Amino acid sequence: AQSVTQLGSHVSVSEGALVLLRCNYSSSVPPYLFWYVQYPNQGLQLLLKYTTGATLVKGINGFEAEFKKSETSFHLTKPSAHMSDAAEYFCAVRPEGDDKIIFGKGTRLHILP
Amino acid sequence: GAVVSQHPSWVICKSGTSVKIECRSLDFQATTMFWYRQFPKQSLMLMATSNEGSKATYEQGVEKDKFLINHASLTLSTLTVTSAHPEDSSFYICSARSGLAGFTDTQYFGPGTRLTVL
Repeated sequence: AQSVTQLGSHVSVSEGALVLLRCNYSSSVPPYLFWYVQYPNQGLQLLLKYTTGATLVKGINGFEAEFKKSETSFHLTKPSAHMSDAAEYFCAVRPEGDDKIIFGKGTRLHILP
Repeated sequence: GAVVSQHPSWVICKSGTSVKIECRSLDFQATTMFWYRQFPKQSLMLMATSNEGSKATYEQGVEKDKFLINHASLTLSTLTVTSAHPEDSSFYICSARSGLAGFTDTQYFGPGTRLTVL
């Protein structure tokens, strides 16, 4: 069965520093890959997605992620963290041909002033 | 574009009563809608998948008689929690997916409904 692993349930970075949130998936066939952000007491907002084509995907709010098939990874990055980036981030996969999205357990990003 | 709304955003009810939560796609037609449950500080758990005009498909362990899902139109799905009990208290989130070619790969999420059962 497909699974998604997010390394680190909590990540803290200083304001202005690089943000790196790690995500690995298990699949022999590259699935569709997503990053969602959730602010407190809100639903999920799509940050970016990879389906096919260019492996470096740019999303909203300055985030980007790179699909690396050889590493089965889809890590999320942002060059310079803002206080407003503090939230819960979920990596998710959707196996090709499947309706369902499988979510990772989430990583809470803390921004230090 | 791709806005999904939920109503109500929060609800408090007494044990034994039923609560209905609405999920609407505001600017697209959603052939498929999904209902999730999220416990505090945890990830989303898929409860069921519903296609417009069809019966919902429930995930293993989800009581279909307790969580009634209706997807009567391409823009509206409802989740009714019947005979609610305190253990049903949770954050319920819906998502919707368009059936249009080129737009079927992404689910768009509603803002969630916080249910508290006293």
